[in-house]
Amino acid sequence: GAVVSQHPSRVICKSGTSVKIECRSLDFQATTMFWYRQFPKKSLMLMATSNEGSKATYEQGVEKDKFLINHASLTLSTLTVTSAHPEDSSFYICSAPKTGFTGNTIYFGEGSWLTVV
Amino acid sequence: QKEVEQNSGPLSVPEGAIASLNCTYSDRGSQSFFWYRQYSGKSPELIMSIYSNGDKEDGRFTAQLNKASQYVSLLIRDSQPSDSATYLCACENSGNTPLVFGKGTRLSVIA
Repeated sequence: GAVVSQHPSRVICKSGTSVKIECRSLDFQATTMFWYRQFPKKSLMLMATSNEGSKATYEQGVEKDKFLINHASLTLSTLTVTSAHPEDSSFYICSAPKTGFTGNTIYFGEGSWLTVV
Repeated sequence: QKEVEQNSGPLSVPEGAIASLNCTYSDRGSQSFFWYRQYSGKSPELIMSIYSNGDKEDGRFTAQLNKASQYVSLLIRDSQPSDSATYLCACENSGNTPLVFGKGTRLSVIA
């Protein structure tokens, strides 16, 4: 079954509005989660590292005021796309590391398709 | 700069054959290595993880790691058309650092 869950799986919003995407670790605690964006037929692009209880770390070129990340608990991180525009339409995916006996394993959520019209 | 290199493909193999996917990485500090499968329009799905030198087998999949050569591979035995997807190689340096991904190899298994 799923280890990391994302919601919603698909969302359509009007240009200028904000959209919130949730990422939950289902049976483990994650002090860190990662947010990616992927355009069709392109590679995964890391947007930011979400840190529980502190500010997110954004990759170069990613606007922190546009992509708000909140990691308020050990099992939930949210990504809010503010003032969305059609060019923000993309596949957004989160991931979280789960610690095992041999090391960390990174699991991905199911992803969220955002369409801005 | 940490890099992971993969041949973009497409790699075409006939059904029932062995598919061999290769990956090299630049960061000698990498500790954990992963292979993900991504179908078009879907999220990456973990296939294999490997942490120490040698081979690790899971069903039809075998991951191989050679830290001295900075090389990771994935073998898929008895390839099936359903294995057709993009395979992503990824490396991790430490517990809470983001994965460094290769661009992926597109595999096509021909029935």
